[in-house]
Amino acid sequence: TQLLEQSPQFLSIQEGENLTVYCNSSSVFSSLQWYRQEPGEGPVLLVTVVTGGEVKKLKRLTFQFGDARKDSSLHITAAQPGDTGLYLCAYSYSGGGADGLTFGKGTHLIIQP
Amino acid sequence: DAGVTQSPTHLIKTRGQQVTLRCSPISGHKSVSWYQQVLGQGPQFIFQYYEKEERGRGNFPDRFSARQFPNYSSELNVNALLLGDSALYLCASSLGSVVNEAFFGQGTRLTVV
Repeated sequence: TQLLEQSPQFLSIQEGENLTVYCNSSSVFSSLQWYRQEPGEGPVLLVTVVTGGEVKKLKRLTFQFGDARKDSSLHITAAQPGDTGLYLCAYSYSGGGADGLTFGKGTHLIIQP
Repeated sequence: DAGVTQSPTHLIKTRGQQVTLRCSPISGHKSVSWYQQVLGQGPQFIFQYYEKEERGRGNFPDRFSARQFPNYSSELNVNALLLGDSALYLCASSLGSVVNEAFFGQGTRLTVV
């Protein structure tokens, strides 16, 4: 099982600021997924990145997949309190008797009004 | 359409007891996977079922078992509960056997005392 390392672990910023969180590994992935989880809820899929160098935008969120498909980043522009949550990256592992998603530990993001 | 539904939402059990958690996937989804999420961490893969067959198992002891029914709903059973089993248990449904995009339920918060 390949490890996904997410950084920073915790981030607290003021409303209106920009931020970037990272998901890194030494392994190559066919795709990576980003989820956001709010307290007491299950994770919600934000985006799947597939192609090396790919950039996907979701309103104020910009996701990038590294050229070598070993890492990904999430950039939030003009953060709002509604962006608060646990941001998780994950990959789908198939084969070897362990089909399922492997998650990083996540970045806990707090946007203060 | 209803999303993934899990029951119960909260549960308190005593050490040594057994517990059964239930999950109904999104209509048309044939794959259900289970995850354990301890406080402050990312979800950890327990099982995946597709078309009523176990397709994958994470690194959990044999006290954990699951099954999928003909209507694709699923149950997760945990025997001989330990304090360390206290966690949020998440169920996710997906369309195919490879979990590329997962839709999560709200989870069952299990507390073992």
